[in-house]
Amino acid sequence: KQEVTQIPAALSVPEGENLVLNCSFTDSAIYNLQWFRQDPGKGLTSLLLIQSSQREQTSGRLNASLDKSSGRSTLYIAASQPGDSATYLCAVISSNTGKLIFGQGTTLQVKP
Amino acid sequence: SQTIHQWPATLVQPVGSPLSLECTVEGTSNPNLYWYRQAAGRGLQLLFYSVGIGQISSEVPQNLSASRPQDRQFILSSKKLLLSDSGFYLCAWSVRTHRGKLFFGSGTQLSVL
Repeated sequence: KQEVTQIPAALSVPEGENLVLNCSFTDSAIYNLQWFRQDPGKGLTSLLLIQSSQREQTSGRLNASLDKSSGRSTLYIAASQPGDSATYLCAVISSNTGKLIFGQGTTLQVKP
Repeated sequence: SQTIHQWPATLVQPVGSPLSLECTVEGTSNPNLYWYRQAAGRGLQLLFYSVGIGQISSEVPQNLSASRPQDRQFILSSKKLLLSDSGFYLCAWSVRTHRGKLFFGSGTQLSVL
């Protein structure tokens, strides 16, 4: 059974700092991995999608990497801003079931 | 462009009352449709997914049911709500292949009192 874990559960950093969010999954048989952002009381916004054959994806200050063999992904946020404060979730689509399985999320606070 | 609509945004219902949450998608055909629940302090739990009209897969035994009467319409229902049904409900869609992005609605905050 696929399980997705995100560490840490919460993170607080000063503005301008570079930071890394971690995601691990137990079954390497995945189609892709997605990183989402969720603001309080809102839906999820897709940030980056990495296909299983890819190693990384970049969008602006965000860079996501994927190491399928070790079951790990990282989301790197450069020069963090207070507007980056949100909960970040990673999710994988299992090749066996086609289902999207989410981690518990990392709640990020960027202090001005 | 594709859009997903989910309503209502908030709902307060007494225990034992019925529930109907609706989700519609525009600008695409034959989407995969999903209902997720996010309980306070917990992750997203997949409740139902559908790959076509009338095709519903249930992930977790529960007090809820789902229906897909039209290609781009997904409905979450309950005949009698429980306190434990409280949570944030999210509808989502993706293209029919498994390699596509998942797009979420804005969510419904359900409080069962």
